[in-house]
Amino acid sequence: LAKTTQPISMDSYEGQEVNITCSHNNIATNDYITWYQQFPSQGPRFIIQGYKTKVTNEVASLFIPADRKSSTLSLPRVSLSDTAVYYCLVGDTGNTPLVFGKGTRLSVIA
Amino acid sequence: GAVVSQHPSRVICKSGTSVKIECRSLDFQATTMFWYRQFPKQSLMLMATSNEGSKATYEQGVEKDKFLINHASLTLSTLTVTSAHPEDSSFYICSATGGGNTIYFGEGSWLTVV
Repeated sequence: LAKTTQPISMDSYEGQEVNITCSHNNIATNDYITWYQQFPSQGPRFIIQGYKTKVTNEVASLFIPADRKSSTLSLPRVSLSDTAVYYCLVGDTGNTPLVFGKGTRLSVIA
Repeated sequence: GAVVSQHPSRVICKSGTSVKIECRSLDFQATTMFWYRQFPKQSLMLMATSNEGSKATYEQGVEKDKFLINHASLTLSTLTVTSAHPEDSSFYICSATGGGNTIYFGEGSWLTVV
Protein backbone atom coordinates (compact mmCIF):
# COMPACT_ATOMS: atom_id res chain seq x y z
CA LEU A 1 0.00 0.00 0.00
CA ALA A 2 1.38 3.41 -1.01
CA LYS A 3 2.43 5.65 1.84
CA THR A 4 1.07 9.17 1.85
CA THR A 5 2.48 12.39 3.25
CA GLN A 6 0.36 15.42 4.07
CA PRO A 7 0.89 18.63 6.04
CA ILE A 8 -0.02 18.07 9.67
CA SER A 9 -2.15 21.18 9.92
CA MET A 10 -3.42 24.18 7.98
CA ASP A 11 -5.28 27.34 8.91
CA SER A 12 -7.60 29.32 6.67
CA TYR A 13 -10.07 32.17 6.93
CA GLU A 14 -13.67 31.72 6.00
CA GLY A 15 -14.42 32.24 2.34
CA GLN A 16 -10.96 31.32 1.13
CA GLU A 17 -10.05 28.47 -1.16
CA VAL A 18 -8.02 25.77 0.58
CA ASN A 19 -5.66 23.42 -1.22
CA ILE A 20 -4.26 20.41 0.61
CA THR A 21 -1.51 18.52 -1.18
CA CYS A 22 -0.69 14.88 -0.61
CA SER A 23 2.46 13.09 -1.73
CA HIS A 24 2.29 9.42 -2.73
CA ASN A 25 5.54 8.72 -4.54
CA ASN A 26 5.09 4.96 -4.55
CA ILE A 27 1.58 4.88 -5.99
CA ALA A 28 0.92 1.76 -8.05
CA THR A 29 -0.66 1.60 -11.48
CA ASN A 30 -3.96 0.26 -10.17
CA ASP A 31 -4.21 2.62 -7.19
CA TYR A 32 -6.99 5.18 -6.88
CA ILE A 33 -6.65 8.31 -4.75
CA THR A 34 -9.41 8.97 -2.25
CA TRP A 35 -9.92 11.81 0.20
CA TYR A 36 -11.95 11.59 3.39
CA GLN A 37 -13.08 14.18 5.93
CA GLN A 38 -13.40 13.35 9.61
CA PHE A 39 -15.09 15.35 12.35
CA PRO A 40 -14.47 14.52 16.03
CA SER A 41 -16.29 11.39 17.19
CA GLN A 42 -17.51 10.55 13.69
CA GLY A 43 -16.40 8.09 11.06
CA PRO A 44 -14.53 9.38 7.99
CA ARG A 45 -16.79 10.78 5.29
CA PHE A 46 -15.99 10.21 1.61
CA ILE A 47 -15.22 13.47 -0.22
CA ILE A 48 -13.82 12.63 -3.62
CA GLN A 49 -11.94 9.97 -5.55
CA GLY A 50 -9.86 10.06 -8.71
CA TYR A 51 -7.32 8.21 -10.81
CA LYS A 52 -5.80 10.93 -12.98
CA THR A 53 -6.25 14.52 -14.18
CA LYS A 54 -9.08 16.42 -12.52
CA VAL A 55 -12.22 15.35 -10.77
CA THR A 56 -14.88 17.72 -9.48
CA ASN A 57 -18.02 17.16 -7.45
CA GLU A 58 -20.39 19.36 -5.50
CA VAL A 59 -18.03 19.80 -2.55
CA ALA A 60 -14.45 19.64 -3.85
CA SER A 61 -12.04 19.24 -6.72
CA LEU A 62 -9.17 16.81 -6.96
CA PHE A 63 -6.15 17.58 -9.10
CA ILE A 64 -3.79 14.76 -10.06
CA PRO A 65 -0.70 15.44 -12.19
CA ALA A 66 0.36 13.12 -14.97
CA ASP A 67 2.94 11.25 -12.85
CA ARG A 68 0.28 10.67 -10.11
CA LYS A 69 2.91 11.03 -7.40
CA SER A 70 0.88 13.70 -5.68
CA SER A 71 -2.64 15.02 -5.54
CA THR A 72 -4.30 18.21 -4.36
CA LEU A 73 -7.68 18.49 -2.73
CA SER A 74 -9.26 21.86 -3.36
CA LEU A 75 -12.07 23.15 -1.14
CA PRO A 76 -13.70 26.27 -2.58
CA ARG A 77 -14.71 29.03 -0.15
CA VAL A 78 -14.40 27.17 3.13
CA SER A 79 -16.68 27.82 6.08
CA LEU A 80 -16.29 27.17 9.80
CA SER A 81 -18.03 23.82 9.34
CA ASP A 82 -15.16 22.62 7.15
CA THR A 83 -12.90 22.49 10.21
CA ALA A 84 -11.93 18.82 10.31
CA VAL A 85 -9.16 16.34 9.64
CA TYR A 86 -8.65 15.45 5.98
CA TYR A 87 -7.09 12.16 4.96
CA CYS A 88 -5.57 11.27 1.61
CA LEU A 89 -5.43 7.53 0.90
CA VAL A 90 -4.40 5.39 -2.04
CA GLY A 91 -5.43 1.83 -2.80
CA ASP A 92 -6.08 -0.48 -5.72
CA THR A 93 -9.57 -1.83 -5.07
CA GLY A 94 -12.34 -1.58 -2.57
CA ASN A 95 -11.36 -4.97 -1.19
CA THR A 96 -7.99 -3.72 -0.01
CA PRO A 97 -7.99 -2.02 3.39
CA LEU A 98 -7.08 1.63 3.49
CA VAL A 99 -4.12 2.46 5.69
CA PHE A 100 -4.46 5.88 7.25
CA GLY A 101 -1.66 8.38 7.68
CA LYS A 102 -1.84 11.24 10.15
CA GLY A 103 -4.06 13.43 7.98
CA THR A 104 -4.24 17.22 7.79
CA ARG A 105 -6.04 19.13 10.51
CA LEU A 106 -7.73 22.10 8.86
CA SER A 107 -8.83 24.95 11.07
CA VAL A 108 -11.13 27.55 9.53
CA ILE A 109 -11.13 30.89 11.29
CA ALA A 110 -13.88 33.49 11.15
CA GLY B 1 -23.70 7.40 -1.50
CA ALA B 2 -23.57 4.04 0.18
CA VAL B 3 -24.52 3.90 3.84
CA VAL B 4 -22.77 1.98 6.57
CA SER B 5 -24.34 1.98 10.01
CA GLN B 6 -22.91 1.02 13.38
CA HIS B 7 -24.64 0.15 16.60
CA PRO B 8 -24.39 1.11 19.37
CA SER B 9 -22.91 4.57 18.94
CA ARG B 10 -21.84 4.62 22.58
CA VAL B 11 -21.50 1.83 25.10
CA ILE B 12 -20.18 1.61 28.63
CA CYS B 13 -19.32 -1.77 30.09
CA LYS B 14 -17.71 -3.09 33.23
CA SER B 15 -14.20 -4.42 33.17
CA GLY B 16 -14.16 -8.14 32.44
CA THR B 17 -17.37 -8.23 30.45
CA SER B 18 -17.81 -8.56 26.71
CA VAL B 19 -19.43 -6.10 24.35
CA LYS B 20 -20.59 -6.47 20.77
CA ILE B 21 -20.55 -3.76 18.09
CA GLU B 22 -22.52 -4.23 14.89
CA CYS B 23 -21.69 -2.89 11.45
CA ARG B 24 -24.32 -2.99 8.73
CA SER B 25 -24.30 -2.03 5.08
CA LEU B 26 -27.75 -0.58 4.48
CA ASP B 27 -28.06 -0.32 0.72
CA PHE B 28 -25.45 -2.65 -0.71
CA GLN B 29 -23.96 -6.06 -0.11
CA ALA B 30 -20.59 -5.86 1.57
CA THR B 31 -18.30 -8.72 0.65
CA THR B 32 -15.53 -7.19 2.72
CA MET B 33 -15.63 -5.09 5.86
CA PHE B 34 -12.79 -3.52 7.81
CA TRP B 35 -12.51 -2.68 11.50
CA TYR B 36 -10.47 0.22 12.81
CA ARG B 37 -9.68 1.63 16.23
CA GLN B 38 -8.97 5.27 16.89
CA PHE B 39 -7.63 6.85 20.06
CA PRO B 40 -8.18 10.56 20.76
CA LYS B 41 -6.17 12.90 18.54
CA GLN B 42 -4.76 9.96 16.60
CA SER B 43 -5.38 8.47 13.20
CA LEU B 44 -7.36 5.33 12.46
CA MET B 45 -5.53 2.06 13.02
CA LEU B 46 -6.59 -0.96 11.01
CA MET B 47 -7.46 -3.93 13.22
CA ALA B 48 -8.77 -6.58 10.87
CA THR B 49 -10.30 -7.41 7.52
CA SER B 50 -13.58 -9.29 7.63
CA ASN B 51 -14.68 -11.38 4.64
CA GLU B 52 -18.18 -12.79 4.41
CA GLY B 53 -18.26 -16.48 5.18
CA SER B 54 -14.61 -16.81 6.16
CA LYS B 55 -12.31 -16.02 9.04
CA ALA B 56 -11.14 -12.50 9.60
CA THR B 57 -7.58 -11.46 8.88
CA TYR B 58 -6.03 -9.62 11.79
CA GLU B 59 -3.28 -7.04 11.66
CA GLN B 60 -0.07 -7.68 13.52
CA GLY B 61 -0.43 -6.98 17.21
CA VAL B 62 -4.22 -7.35 17.31
CA GLU B 63 -5.34 -10.27 19.49
CA LYS B 64 -7.84 -12.35 17.54
CA ASP B 65 -9.12 -14.06 20.68
CA LYS B 66 -9.85 -10.72 22.29
CA PHE B 67 -11.42 -8.99 19.30
CA LEU B 68 -13.79 -11.53 17.77
CA ILE B 69 -15.05 -10.67 14.32
CA ASN B 70 -17.95 -12.40 12.63
CA HIS B 71 -19.15 -11.63 9.10
CA ALA B 72 -22.04 -14.03 8.81
CA SER B 73 -23.97 -12.22 6.08
CA LEU B 74 -23.33 -9.80 3.25
CA THR B 75 -24.80 -6.92 5.25
CA LEU B 76 -23.56 -7.52 8.79
CA SER B 77 -20.22 -7.80 10.54
CA THR B 78 -19.83 -7.81 14.31
CA LEU B 79 -16.87 -7.01 16.54
CA THR B 80 -16.96 -8.48 20.03
CA VAL B 81 -14.50 -7.17 22.57
CA THR B 82 -14.10 -10.01 25.05
CA SER B 83 -13.07 -9.55 28.67
CA ALA B 84 -12.81 -5.83 28.11
CA HIS B 85 -10.39 -3.74 30.14
CA PRO B 86 -10.04 0.04 30.48
CA GLU B 87 -7.22 0.09 27.92
CA ASP B 88 -9.71 -1.20 25.34
CA SER B 89 -11.67 2.02 25.66
CA SER B 90 -11.56 3.62 22.24
CA PHE B 91 -13.51 4.71 19.18
CA TYR B 92 -14.19 1.72 16.92
CA ILE B 93 -15.05 2.32 13.27
CA CYS B 94 -16.06 -0.11 10.58
CA SER B 95 -15.96 0.33 6.85
CA ALA B 96 -17.39 -1.63 3.99
CA THR B 97 -17.05 -2.14 0.27
CA GLY B 98 -19.38 -3.80 -2.17
CA GLY B 99 -16.46 -4.63 -4.44
CA GLY B 100 -16.04 -1.27 -6.17
CA ASN B 101 -13.23 1.22 -5.67
CA THR B 102 -14.76 3.18 -2.81
CA ILE B 103 -14.83 2.27 0.86
CA TYR B 104 -17.52 3.79 3.08
CA PHE B 105 -17.26 4.21 6.84
CA GLY B 106 -19.73 3.82 9.65
CA GLU B 107 -20.44 6.51 12.22
CA GLY B 108 -18.20 4.90 14.80
CA SER B 109 -18.83 3.41 18.23
CA TRP B 110 -17.40 4.77 21.46
CA LEU B 111 -16.50 2.06 23.95
CA THR B 112 -15.78 3.00 27.54
CA VAL B 113 -14.70 0.26 29.92
CA VAL B 114 -15.02 1.14 33.59
